[in-house]
Amino acid sequence: ETGVTQTPRHLVMGMTNKKSLKCEQHLGHNAMYWYKQSAKKPLELMFVYSLEERVENNSVPSRFSPECPNSSHLFLHLHTLQPEDSALYLCASSHSGRDFTDTQYFGPGTRLTVL
Amino acid sequence: QKEVEQDPGPLSVPEGAIVSLNCTYSNSAFQYFMWYRQYSRKGPELLMYTYSSGNKEDGRFTAQVDKSSKYISLFIRDSQPSDSATYLCASLGSARQLTFGSGTQLTVLP
Repeated sequence: ETGVTQTPRHLVMGMTNKKSLKCEQHLGHNAMYWYKQSAKKPLELMFVYSLEERVENNSVPSRFSPECPNSSHLFLHLHTLQPEDSALYLCASSHSGRDFTDTQYFGPGTRLTVL
Repeated sequence: QKEVEQDPGPLSVPEGAIVSLNCTYSNSAFQYFMWYRQYSRKGPELLMYTYSSGNKEDGRFTAQVDKSSKYISLFIRDSQPSDSATYLCASLGSARQLTFGSGTQLTVLP
């Protein structure tokens, strides 16, 4: 596959479950991002990793835990989520996480529903 | 007040119409302005970006920035059904983060 891929595409979980979202980029980029997209609301930047180092963390609750084992993979570990966390979670990558004018390429997203 | 305001629509136009999509922003530090297009069940993709004030044209698309009024516009000429999507404006300021509008849903009717 090319570009940015995300798995799973859909996820339904209970408030006590633990699950992980996976993102993989095949573009040779050095930066990866997690965004949250809720209905009728702007995209919210959650985390930024540049060269596997977390460079931004926008006051995201600790029930969301990112992991970036290498520059091609990004995970978002989820535990004890709330129903208001239901949203589309988008992963993106760019050449550099230091130059925010670099074009960000988005994956298709994971549609998360928390019951 | 949101840093970037965008009318969510929905907006429906007939094929061939000129479409005008607009955003306003409040942060004077914003310098780069972008338009993303998001098809249903897909992630956003960058359509165009501009720096500071002025116009930028790419085929049927024209992006316009007026920094004096803090107004961002995207015009689509000869709109096609394939243009039906949600259009997101975004700005990049000194905080080095993209700030997005909430998106405008556009439907071009054949």
